[in-house]
Amino acid sequence: AQSVSQHNHHVILSEAASLELGCNYSYGGTVNLFWYVQYPGQHLQLLLKYFSGDPLVKGIKGFEAEFIKSKFSFNLRKPSVQWSDTAEYFCAVNLNAGGTSYGKLTFGQGTILTVHP
Amino acid sequence: NAGVMQNPRHLVRRRGQEARLRCSPMKGHSHVYWYRQLPEEGLKFMVYLQKENIIDESGMPKERFSAEFPKEGPSILRIQQVVRGDSAAYFCASSPTTGMHHNEQFFGPGTRLTVL
Repeated sequence: AQSVSQHNHHVILSEAASLELGCNYSYGGTVNLFWYVQYPGQHLQLLLKYFSGDPLVKGIKGFEAEFIKSKFSFNLRKPSVQWSDTAEYFCAVNLNAGGTSYGKLTFGQGTILTVHP
Repeated sequence: NAGVMQNPRHLVRRRGQEARLRCSPMKGHSHVYWYRQLPEEGLKFMVYLQKENIIDESGMPKERFSAEFPKEGPSILRIQQVVRGDSAAYFCASSPTTGMHHNEQFFGPGTRLTVL
Protein backbone atom coordinates (compact mmCIF):
# COMPACT_ATOMS: atom_id res chain seq x y z
CA ALA A 1 0.00 0.00 0.00
CA GLN A 2 1.08 3.54 -0.68
CA SER A 3 2.46 5.44 2.29
CA VAL A 4 4.24 8.65 3.18
CA SER A 5 6.48 8.97 6.20
CA GLN A 6 7.62 12.18 7.84
CA HIS A 7 10.48 11.54 10.20
CA ASN A 8 9.93 14.22 12.78
CA HIS A 9 6.70 14.91 14.61
CA HIS A 10 7.86 18.13 16.25
CA VAL A 11 10.85 20.30 15.39
CA ILE A 12 11.89 23.27 17.51
CA LEU A 13 14.32 25.84 16.13
CA SER A 14 15.52 29.33 16.83
CA GLU A 15 15.16 32.06 14.25
CA ALA A 16 17.84 32.03 11.56
CA ALA A 17 18.51 28.32 12.01
CA SER A 18 18.42 26.10 8.95
CA LEU A 19 15.56 23.69 8.44
CA GLU A 20 15.28 20.29 6.85
CA LEU A 21 12.13 18.19 7.18
CA GLY A 22 12.31 14.64 5.96
CA CYS A 23 9.75 12.92 3.78
CA ASN A 24 9.94 9.41 2.35
CA TYR A 25 7.30 7.67 0.32
CA SER A 26 6.44 4.17 -0.72
CA TYR A 27 4.56 4.24 -4.00
CA GLY A 28 4.44 2.11 -7.09
CA GLY A 29 4.75 4.17 -10.22
CA THR A 30 5.67 7.69 -11.16
CA VAL A 31 4.62 10.19 -8.55
CA ASN A 32 3.81 13.82 -8.00
CA LEU A 33 5.10 15.27 -4.74
CA PHE A 34 3.82 18.15 -2.65
CA TRP A 35 4.54 20.03 0.52
CA TYR A 36 1.64 21.79 2.21
CA VAL A 37 1.74 24.13 5.19
CA GLN A 38 -1.00 24.78 7.73
CA TYR A 39 -0.53 27.91 9.81
CA PRO A 40 -2.39 28.02 13.14
CA GLY A 41 -6.10 28.42 12.53
CA GLN A 42 -5.75 28.41 8.76
CA HIS A 43 -6.30 25.96 5.93
CA LEU A 44 -3.68 24.02 4.04
CA GLN A 45 -1.67 26.01 1.55
CA LEU A 46 0.64 24.64 -1.12
CA LEU A 47 4.32 25.43 -0.52
CA LEU A 48 5.74 23.69 -3.55
CA LYS A 49 5.24 20.75 -5.88
CA TYR A 50 7.22 18.43 -8.09
CA PHE A 51 5.82 16.78 -11.21
CA SER A 52 8.85 16.28 -13.44
CA GLY A 53 12.06 17.93 -14.59
CA ASP A 54 14.55 19.60 -12.27
CA PRO A 55 14.46 17.63 -9.00
CA LEU A 56 15.27 20.77 -7.02
CA VAL A 57 12.04 22.66 -6.62
CA LYS A 58 11.68 26.16 -5.27
CA GLY A 59 8.49 27.24 -3.58
CA ILE A 60 7.03 30.19 -1.81
CA LYS A 61 8.51 31.96 1.24
CA GLY A 62 12.06 30.73 0.57
CA PHE A 63 11.31 27.03 0.82
CA GLU A 64 12.76 24.43 -1.50
CA ALA A 65 12.67 20.67 -1.77
CA GLU A 66 14.76 18.06 -3.53
CA PHE A 67 13.36 14.93 -5.10
CA ILE A 68 15.82 12.04 -4.83
CA LYS A 69 14.25 9.19 -6.75
CA SER A 70 16.76 6.56 -5.59
CA LYS A 71 15.96 7.33 -1.97
CA PHE A 72 12.22 7.83 -2.46
CA SER A 73 12.65 11.12 -0.65
CA PHE A 74 11.37 14.68 -0.99
CA ASN A 75 12.90 16.66 1.87
CA LEU A 76 11.87 20.24 2.56
CA ARG A 77 14.54 22.83 3.30
CA LYS A 78 14.87 26.47 4.22
CA PRO A 79 18.26 28.06 4.94
CA SER A 80 17.04 30.50 7.60
CA VAL A 81 13.70 30.14 9.36
CA GLN A 82 11.59 32.92 10.78
CA TRP A 83 9.16 33.01 13.68
CA SER A 84 6.35 33.28 11.11
CA ASP A 85 7.26 29.83 9.76
CA THR A 86 5.75 28.27 12.88
CA ALA A 87 3.16 25.89 11.43
CA GLU A 88 2.45 22.26 10.63
CA TYR A 89 4.00 20.91 7.44
CA PHE A 90 2.62 18.03 5.42
CA CYS A 91 4.28 16.03 2.69
CA ALA A 92 1.90 14.45 0.18
CA VAL A 93 2.09 12.20 -2.85
CA ASN A 94 -0.16 11.09 -5.66
CA LEU A 95 0.28 9.09 -8.81
CA ASN A 96 1.42 10.78 -11.97
CA ALA A 97 -0.68 9.15 -14.64
CA GLY A 98 0.48 10.32 -18.03
CA GLY A 99 1.04 13.88 -16.89
CA THR A 100 -2.24 14.26 -15.03
CA SER A 101 -2.90 13.53 -11.41
CA TYR A 102 -6.54 13.82 -10.60
CA GLY A 103 -6.25 11.18 -7.93
CA LYS A 104 -6.13 11.16 -4.20
CA LEU A 105 -3.30 12.58 -2.17
CA THR A 106 -1.62 10.40 0.43
CA PHE A 107 -0.33 12.54 3.28
CA GLY A 108 2.38 12.07 5.84
CA GLN A 109 1.58 12.46 9.51
CA GLY A 110 2.73 16.07 9.56
CA THR A 111 5.60 17.85 11.27
CA ILE A 112 4.93 20.66 13.70
CA LEU A 113 7.58 23.34 13.41
CA THR A 114 8.00 25.79 16.28
CA VAL A 115 10.37 28.70 15.72
CA HIS A 116 11.45 30.70 18.74
CA PRO A 117 12.27 34.38 18.24
CA ASN B 1 -11.73 34.45 -7.09
CA ALA B 2 -13.04 33.03 -3.85
CA GLY B 3 -11.29 29.98 -2.48
CA VAL B 4 -12.81 26.68 -1.51
CA MET B 5 -15.66 27.30 0.89
CA GLN B 6 -16.76 24.91 3.59
CA ASN B 7 -19.60 25.22 6.02
CA PRO B 8 -20.22 25.01 8.78
CA ARG B 9 -16.74 25.63 10.21
CA HIS B 10 -17.71 23.97 13.46
CA LEU B 11 -20.43 21.38 13.96
CA VAL B 12 -21.51 19.75 17.18
CA ARG B 13 -23.70 16.68 17.10
CA ARG B 14 -24.91 14.17 19.67
CA ARG B 15 -24.38 10.48 19.10
CA GLY B 16 -26.94 9.10 16.68
CA GLN B 17 -27.61 12.39 14.88
CA GLU B 18 -26.76 13.17 11.29
CA ALA B 19 -23.97 15.50 10.18
CA ARG B 20 -23.99 17.29 6.82
CA LEU B 21 -20.83 19.00 5.67
CA ARG B 22 -20.84 21.27 2.64
CA CYS B 23 -18.11 22.19 0.22
CA SER B 24 -18.25 24.74 -2.58
CA PRO B 25 -15.26 24.33 -4.89
CA MET B 26 -13.40 27.20 -6.45
CA LYS B 27 -15.03 28.70 -9.50
CA GLY B 28 -14.25 26.62 -12.56
CA HIS B 29 -13.18 23.56 -10.57
CA SER B 30 -15.00 20.34 -11.36
CA HIS B 31 -13.10 17.95 -9.10
CA VAL B 32 -13.77 17.67 -5.37
CA TYR B 33 -11.93 15.63 -2.77
CA TRP B 34 -12.80 14.99 0.86
CA TYR B 35 -10.18 14.23 3.52
CA ARG B 36 -10.46 13.53 7.23
CA GLN B 37 -7.92 14.49 9.87
CA LEU B 38 -8.17 12.67 13.15
CA PRO B 39 -6.40 14.09 16.22
CA GLU B 40 -2.61 13.60 16.04
CA GLU B 41 -2.84 12.16 12.51
CA GLY B 42 -2.33 13.39 8.98
CA LEU B 43 -5.08 13.83 6.45
CA LYS B 44 -6.65 10.66 5.11
CA PHE B 45 -8.35 10.53 1.74
CA MET B 46 -12.04 9.68 1.80
CA VAL B 47 -13.64 10.28 -1.59
CA TYR B 48 -13.09 11.95 -4.97
CA LEU B 49 -16.01 13.26 -6.97
CA GLN B 50 -16.75 15.03 -10.19
CA LYS B 51 -20.09 16.56 -11.01
CA GLU B 52 -22.74 13.86 -10.49
CA ASN B 53 -20.12 11.10 -10.31
CA ILE B 54 -18.15 9.37 -7.59
CA ILE B 55 -14.74 8.61 -9.07
CA ASP B 56 -12.94 7.05 -6.11
CA GLU B 57 -14.50 6.23 -2.75
CA SER B 58 -11.82 3.86 -1.55
CA GLY B 59 -11.29 5.85 1.65
CA MET B 60 -14.91 6.04 2.71
CA PRO B 61 -16.10 3.91 5.62
CA LYS B 62 -18.50 1.27 4.34
CA GLU B 63 -21.37 2.34 6.54
CA ARG B 64 -22.98 5.64 7.56
CA PHE B 65 -20.85 7.81 5.24
CA SER B 66 -21.94 9.08 1.85
CA ALA B 67 -20.96 11.88 -0.49
CA GLU B 68 -22.43 13.62 -3.48
CA PHE B 69 -21.57 16.42 -5.86
CA PRO B 70 -24.75 17.37 -7.71
CA LYS B 71 -24.97 19.20 -10.99
CA GLU B 72 -26.00 22.32 -9.11
CA GLY B 73 -24.88 23.28 -5.63
CA PRO B 74 -22.14 22.24 -3.25
CA SER B 75 -20.68 18.86 -2.57
CA ILE B 76 -22.14 17.23 0.53
CA LEU B 77 -20.49 14.77 2.89
CA ARG B 78 -23.15 13.09 4.99
CA ILE B 79 -22.52 11.10 8.13
CA GLN B 80 -25.49 9.26 9.54
CA GLN B 81 -25.84 8.12 13.15
CA VAL B 82 -22.62 9.79 14.23
CA VAL B 83 -20.39 8.23 16.87
CA ARG B 84 -17.65 9.78 19.00
CA GLY B 85 -15.00 8.34 16.70
CA ASP B 86 -16.30 10.53 13.89
CA SER B 87 -15.01 13.61 15.71
CA ALA B 88 -12.38 15.05 13.39
CA ALA B 89 -11.59 17.86 10.99
CA TYR B 90 -13.02 17.26 7.52
CA PHE B 91 -11.30 19.03 4.67
CA CYS B 92 -12.51 19.55 1.16
CA ALA B 93 -10.20 20.27 -1.77
CA SER B 94 -10.92 21.12 -5.38
CA SER B 95 -8.95 21.12 -8.59
CA PRO B 96 -9.62 22.28 -12.13
CA THR B 97 -9.81 20.02 -15.16
CA THR B 98 -7.36 21.95 -17.27
CA GLY B 99 -4.98 24.85 -17.01
CA MET B 100 -1.71 25.42 -15.24
CA HIS B 101 -3.06 24.29 -11.87
CA HIS B 102 -4.82 21.17 -13.07
CA ASN B 103 -2.62 18.95 -10.95
CA GLU B 104 -2.98 20.99 -7.78
CA GLN B 105 -5.60 20.61 -5.08
CA PHE B 106 -6.79 23.75 -3.28
CA PHE B 107 -8.03 23.20 0.24
CA GLY B 108 -10.88 24.73 2.17
CA PRO B 109 -10.70 25.77 5.84
CA GLY B 110 -12.24 22.54 7.07
CA THR B 111 -15.22 21.61 9.21
CA ARG B 112 -14.47 20.59 12.78
CA LEU B 113 -17.01 17.98 13.82
CA THR B 114 -17.45 17.24 17.50
CA VAL B 115 -19.66 14.37 18.56
CA LEU B 116 -20.85 14.53 22.15
